[in-house]
Amino acid sequence: QSVLTQPPSASGTSGQRVAISCSGSSSNIGNNNVHWYQQLPGTAPKLLIYKNIQRPAGVPDRFSGSKSGTSASLAISGLRSEDEADYYCASWDDSLTGPVFGGGTRLTVL
Amino acid sequence: QVQLVESGGGVVQPGRSLRLSCAASGFTFSNYAMHWVRQAPGKGLEWVALIAYDGSNKFYADSVRGRFTISRDSSKNTLYLLLNSLRAEDTAFYYCARDHDRFCSGGNCYPGYWGQGTLVTVSS
Repeated sequence: QSVLTQPPSASGTSGQRVAISCSGSSSNIGNNNVHWYQQLPGTAPKLLIYKNIQRPAGVPDRFSGSKSGTSASLAISGLRSEDEADYYCASWDDSLTGPVFGGGTRLTVL
Repeated sequence: QVQLVESGGGVVQPGRSLRLSCAASGFTFSNYAMHWVRQAPGKGLEWVALIAYDGSNKFYADSVRGRFTISRDSSKNTLYLLLNSLRAEDTAFYYCARDHDRFCSGGNCYPGYWGQGTLVTVSS
């Protein structure tokens, strides 16, 4: 049982927009930044969005993040087949004194 | 560019110990906090441990506190994780990760760059 809650799966067709939610509490998302990671099959995770809305260099602007209260969301527009991956949200938890991850969402591009 | 190379994984019996290493290059190692994150085969990510950029603070997940020890040697640009009293549920890929921002000593630290991982299998 992960501290942050994500839907286990999401899907969309090429070109569509999909959103992945991440729900937490006042001890994590409600009081700290949210970050998103993309893990392509068989590879290490990669930072996709940091501090709620920031994109690292090289990440396309098709990826965007948002946060409101104790929830956050990752949106992917213009869906492509190469976006098929597992996506994880993360945030610092003040009670657990460490970062916590969501359970991950597997994105399928139909 | 940032490079993180983990080593030390393998098959180990329950109750035994193992030490993982992570060789860092491409950045000023002593300026960044470092993390260990693990992933059981087919499962999600689980943060394990964090050490502040200067080694002053260490944080652990409840599942490993008292059994695992994180440390760093800035003279060798190397991060370590000592795994004691290993259990079957510790079986996982262990990733070394550099914090995204400089000088994090605890609170809002988060992994920015990841190594490729090393597999630890705990089995008799």
